[in-house]
Amino acid sequence: EAQVTQNPRYLITVTGKKLTVTCSQNMNHEYMSWYRQDPGLGLRQIYYSMNVEVTDKGDVPEGYKVSRKEKRNFPLILESPSPNQTSLYFCASSLYGGSHSPLHFGNGTRLTVT
Amino acid sequence: GENVEQHPSTLSVQEGDSAVIKCTYSDSASNYFPWYKQELGKRPQLIIDIRSNVGEKKDQRIAVTLNKTAKHFSLHITETQPEDSAVYFCAASTNTGNQFYFGTGTSLTVIP
Repeated sequence: EAQVTQNPRYLITVTGKKLTVTCSQNMNHEYMSWYRQDPGLGLRQIYYSMNVEVTDKGDVPEGYKVSRKEKRNFPLILESPSPNQTSLYFCASSLYGGSHSPLHFGNGTRLTVT
Repeated sequence: GENVEQHPSTLSVQEGDSAVIKCTYSDSASNYFPWYKQELGKRPQLIIDIRSNVGEKKDQRIAVTLNKTAKHFSLHITETQPEDSAVYFCAASTNTGNQFYFGTGTSLTVIP
């Protein structure tokens, strides 16, 4: 089944403890991206990647890192999480990105930082 | 960058009535406008999209219209059903920008 897989689905951590949220897609998509969803703010883009080894900042990149060493994987790294990063995170992919093809979303990761 | 505004933030309709959600965008270079539906606790899923060379697109009970001059696009749902209850997001993207810009969402409730 074609899908975007995120793990974990739920994560509770403490301030400053490094964490990684994994994202993998099996559709051979070129484009992958991360969003955070907060009440009243919609979906805001954190980082995106057009292809392997190519990553760019979205609208809210502060406090996050990403890597794209393989086409299928696009992990989100929080080196020193803070409470303001408590949010619902979605990974998404599309065949080419931009206006060329729609986004396919993962099931989300609900992160709580205390 | 692009700014997408979406209205209303909440919408309640009686089953069988129509629902309309409106979005405006600021970047005239935007040329792709998808709409996503997010049911409670689930991921956003594409329901319909439109490109700037088309003024209207319809898929059964769902339609989207685009006015490039006024920079606004709308989602129309006819004969609403309780399963249409969800949060709907509009988005805009450009051919070269490689970013999707989302509206803040509309929570639609269809009252049986």
